[in-house]
Amino acid sequence: EVQLVQSGAEVKKPGESLKISCKGSGYSFTSYWIGWVRQMPGKGLEWMGIIYPGDSDTRYSPSFQGQVTISADKSISTAYLQWSSLKASDTAMYYCARLIADTAFHWGQGTLVTVSS
Amino acid sequence: QSALTQPPSASGSPGQSVTISCTGTSSDVGGYNYVSWYQQHPGKAPKLMIYEVSKRPSGVPDRFSGSKSGNTASLTVSGLQAEDEADYYCSSYAGSNNLGVFGTGTKVTVL
Repeated sequence: EVQLVQSGAEVKKPGESLKISCKGSGYSFTSYWIGWVRQMPGKGLEWMGIIYPGDSDTRYSPSFQGQVTISADKSISTAYLQWSSLKASDTAMYYCARLIADTAFHWGQGTLVTVSS
Repeated sequence: QSALTQPPSASGSPGQSVTISCTGTSSDVGGYNYVSWYQQHPGKAPKLMIYEVSKRPSGVPDRFSGSKSGNTASLTVSGLQAEDEADYYCSSYAGSNNLGVFGTGTKVTVL
């Protein structure tokens, strides 16, 4: 069974750094793109970026380029989304998803990030 | 890229049908047969309901169907049931140099 398990909820202050994770199991982690999706409170879904764990090829949405870093450690089948300096506007639910032909067939449970002073 | 356009809301009584539209451009919806639809219940992760315009993943009831004409894709839910009440998002491939793009989302209410 394909599973994506994300790290737990985080509460951070503005300016702090953060790295959240998404661990894949039940499939060949290096053979499928992983995407990250943001959902701000009460709002819709937004693609942030995608990574191919096999060779770490990474692509970002223009809105998120330079704002976050996506990475992966194929030795532990885990993808990451990180911020170097959080803002209040980063408060959102973040989902990872396994992609096949640009379709998100499987989703993680989501990680809620709250940034507040 | 701009978000694909969906109506904010749609509704129907149990047993009726509801159709949601998803309008893009020739650079996304109109240019490729890679439109997908996701269902999201409150507080839950999205779930894939339709991919490649009209294909259903295993386990999705055949009450859910998808189609496309020009730059507009559609999701139809037939025989509405209470559990179909949720937010629905379309998504489309937008070319090899772009990430996919989501729709604005539609809240479906079962009256």
